[in-house]
Amino acid sequence: QLQLQESGPGLVKPSETLSLTCTVSGGSISSSSYYWGWIRQPPGKGLEWIGSIYYSGSTYYNPSLKSRVTISVDTSKNQFSLKLSSVTAADTAVYYCASLVARSYFDYWGQGTLVTVSS
Amino acid sequence: DIVMTQTPLSLSVTPGQPASISCKSSQSLLHSDGKTYLYWYLQKPGQSPQLLIYEVSNRFSGVPDRFSGSGSGTDFTLKISRVEAEDVGVYYCMQSIQLPFTFGPGTKVDIK
Repeated sequence: QLQLQESGPGLVKPSETLSLTCTVSGGSISSSSYYWGWIRQPPGKGLEWIGSIYYSGSTYYNPSLKSRVTISVDTSKNQFSLKLSSVTAADTAVYYCASLVARSYFDYWGQGTLVTVSS
Repeated sequence: DIVMTQTPLSLSVTPGQPASISCKSSQSLLHSDGKTYLYWYLQKPGQSPQLLIYEVSNRFSGVPDRFSGSGSGTDFTLKISRVEAEDVGVYYCMQSIQLPFTFGPGTKVDIK
């Protein structure tokens, strides 16, 4: 069974770039069966899909965040990453990485990491 | 964007009793490939969401058979035949027929 683990700074200053990495274990990030995705959840609120990537590097993003988001993959490290630029307090959230089956649904999720945007 | 709505937004259930959650989408989730792109997740307190149901009615691996999903087009239902204490949390529906993927607002289930 796949396991995913997010890592990165828990505190980011306003206007700076949030950077997170998801490490995949129990399977290959180069599997043709999976895409990989990022989802976030502001404290006490619902879930928002940020974007997804295939091992080839093909990406698709939520239009609401597209201008600020970059998702990349490093197959040699079995990792994929999220960068969100020009952050504000509204970007404070728990960020989850997850495996995406058939570009359709998230079956395995990381434990999530809280990122707070504050000076 | 496809808007997902859920009712009720909160539900208090006696253990052993059934529970039902409705999810409606602003557009049909039936694709020309014959699949319906509707999923259910449960987020237990302090945990990440976990997949319960995929494509309307298919239980994910390890999900107890007291959970069932039904529906078509724009109207869907998640049913728990006999609620147990471990079922507390927030239930979300999600659509993936169209980008961006969108989630419902969640239904909080607790035990009476």
